[in-house]
Amino acid sequence: DAGVTQSPTHLIKTRGQQVTLRCSPKSGHDTVSWYQQALGQGPQFIFQYYEEEERQRGNFPDRFSGHQFPNYSSELNVNALLLGDSALYLCASSLGGRQPQHFGDGTRLSIL
Amino acid sequence: GEDVEQSLFLSVREGDSSVINCTYTDSSSTYLYWYKQEPGAGLQLLTYIFSNMDMKQDQRLTVLLNKKDKHLSLRIADTQTGDSAIYFCAESGMNSGGYQKVTFGTGTKLQVIP
Repeated sequence: DAGVTQSPTHLIKTRGQQVTLRCSPKSGHDTVSWYQQALGQGPQFIFQYYEEEERQRGNFPDRFSGHQFPNYSSELNVNALLLGDSALYLCASSLGGRQPQHFGDGTRLSIL
Repeated sequence: GEDVEQSLFLSVREGDSSVINCTYTDSSSTYLYWYKQEPGAGLQLLTYIFSNMDMKQDQRLTVLLNKKDKHLSLRIADTQTGDSAIYFCAESGMNSGGYQKVTFGTGTKLQVIP
């Protein structure tokens, strides 16, 4: 039973660039949430996707956008990257958004 | 808004019990979770408790919930060096849109001394 998988594992970008991170949910899950975890902090909620729609959103600017595909996989896009966007980006999946969430190992994004 | 607080650091000797504490503010919380994060890894769900329960035991883990004081604790019996990690408390409550919203604490770093 595959868990949540994220790609790539690590990524280095420069300020102003754009990045796309990918997530495949745990088998049987239909809801994907994205979190940003800065060094030494807890995860901060970015947004959640269900049935290919953004269902709820945290306090993040419009530079952060996402997509969910019919197979429930998801992408997180960040435009106009800032140094402060350097963080571990975590994807979590659940069933209907109401079960405990299961997390992937994350993508570590470094902005130079 | 919702807030979850934890102490930053806990050091215990191998074989002793560890108790990690957490307080939260959202009175509408439905689930409360404990996650473990090892260096370079994502979050591993350890256990969770429904808000209408006051205790849950799962092998070496015991979760205690005091809903009146909004206090959650995680006890790890016979702590091992492999338990060294950061432990996150999280609460799940309903947001204004009727969806579950999860808020995490800043994590407690557990150091186990051999």
